[in-house]
Amino acid sequence: EAEVAQSPRYKITEKSQAVAFWCDPISGHATLYWYRQILGQGPELLVQFQDESVVDDSQLPKDRFSAERLKGVDSTLKIQPAELGDSAMYLCASTQGTSGANTQYFGPGTRLTVL
Amino acid sequence: GQSLEQPSEVTAVEGAIVQINCTYQTSGFYGLSWYQQHDGGAPTFLSYNALDGLEETGRFSSFLSRSDSYGYLLLQELQMKDSASYFCAVRSLGQNFVFGPGTRLSALP
Repeated sequence: EAEVAQSPRYKITEKSQAVAFWCDPISGHATLYWYRQILGQGPELLVQFQDESVVDDSQLPKDRFSAERLKGVDSTLKIQPAELGDSAMYLCASTQGTSGANTQYFGPGTRLTVL
Repeated sequence: GQSLEQPSEVTAVEGAIVQINCTYQTSGFYGLSWYQQHDGGAPTFLSYNALDGLEETGRFSSFLSRSDSYGYLLLQELQMKDSASYFCAVRSLGQNFVFGPGTRLSALP
């Protein structure tokens, strides 16, 4: 069964350093989402892509976060500089079709710890 | 804006029927999803309701009342492996999803 791939699974960094996370959605899935999930809370949408275009990045802290999906396939989320409050799980999800289907498939996530 | 409310915790014994409620406030409502997440794992899709009524998938059922902005997830014959966090998520006009705070379900032997 096809899965959403993410790497790394775990990342420990010091504050003020730069970090990057990678996501490869299920083949053929046009819509890709990045979420941040703080322990004990629900996932919070950071950015949504439709193919290579950003559909919604209203919740993305653009002073330090950036995301790209240059060829409309895999995607990278970057934080520079990292802050203590960025410690969280970063989840990538994808859905089939261009209109945003009902089922999101999540990757295993990247757990970020900022020291 | 959008907001969702769920109970923070639910506890029940094996074999029981468990209901997890979700109330929401949103504009441009499209549908309500439910996801299960085990500790350390990724959320996995359980169900989606766009219309009023009950949707059944095995031991899991999900209900939606659009007029009441309310839905619930029903788990029958609770098993230990059902211990996890459950999230409702509203799909809105912008095609994205807003997740609730989650309900931690604990199954007792």
